[in-house]
Amino acid sequence: DAGITQSPRYKITETGRQVTLMCHQTWSHSYMFWYRQDLGHGLRLIYYSAAADITDKGEVPDGYVVSRSKTENFPLTLESATRSQTSVYFCASSEPGGSYGYTFGSGTRLTVV
Amino acid sequence: GQQLNQSPQSMFIQEGEDVSMNCTSSSIFNTWLWYKQDPGEGPVLLIALYKAGELTSNGRLTAQFGITRKDSFLNISASIPSDVGIYFCAGRNYGGSQGNLIFGKGTKLSVKP
Repeated sequence: DAGITQSPRYKITETGRQVTLMCHQTWSHSYMFWYRQDLGHGLRLIYYSAAADITDKGEVPDGYVVSRSKTENFPLTLESATRSQTSVYFCASSEPGGSYGYTFGSGTRLTVV
Repeated sequence: GQQLNQSPQSMFIQEGEDVSMNCTSSSIFNTWLWYKQDPGEGPVLLIALYKAGELTSNGRLTAQFGITRKDSFLNISASIPSDVGIYFCAGRNYGGSQGNLIFGKGTKLSVKP
């Protein structure tokens, strides 16, 4: 199916565990983004990528790692999950210039216990 | 970093009423976007604005790009229950990288039938 797909939709993990959230897009968009959404903070940019093998930090990158070996995939890894990383995570993609804005996935709700 | 001030934070209105929300910034933007997020989903682009003073409609929604380039407004006429959700504004700077799409914190709209 065409679009941007995030998996899993829901995840519960324990403090200290490594967890990877997946993002896959079928449009061959150059740019991809990871946001977290928390009450009172809106959407905050974690990392973004301009192309395969090019990534850059956003507003809140600490505790997260990204990679982009293929244009269509942009996984987000929490190396050692903490309770403060409990959030809803959104992946998005865009063409360069992004005149039409970003297209978002449906989100992953992550709970760290 | 840059911030968008979006107001109001929340609204609880009666079905059939008109709704107004706005975003302001201390910086100039060259693009303004309005998104809607349904419960449990990712934000979806509603309207994109590219020119100061531009007024664009999408059904019952009308958005304007402020003349000063530092603000934008979204109006919803004759609200219906499916208008419920969180509305986000987003702006992009002149010469900004893809990482510089700045989001407001959202306006949560509740509609009473």
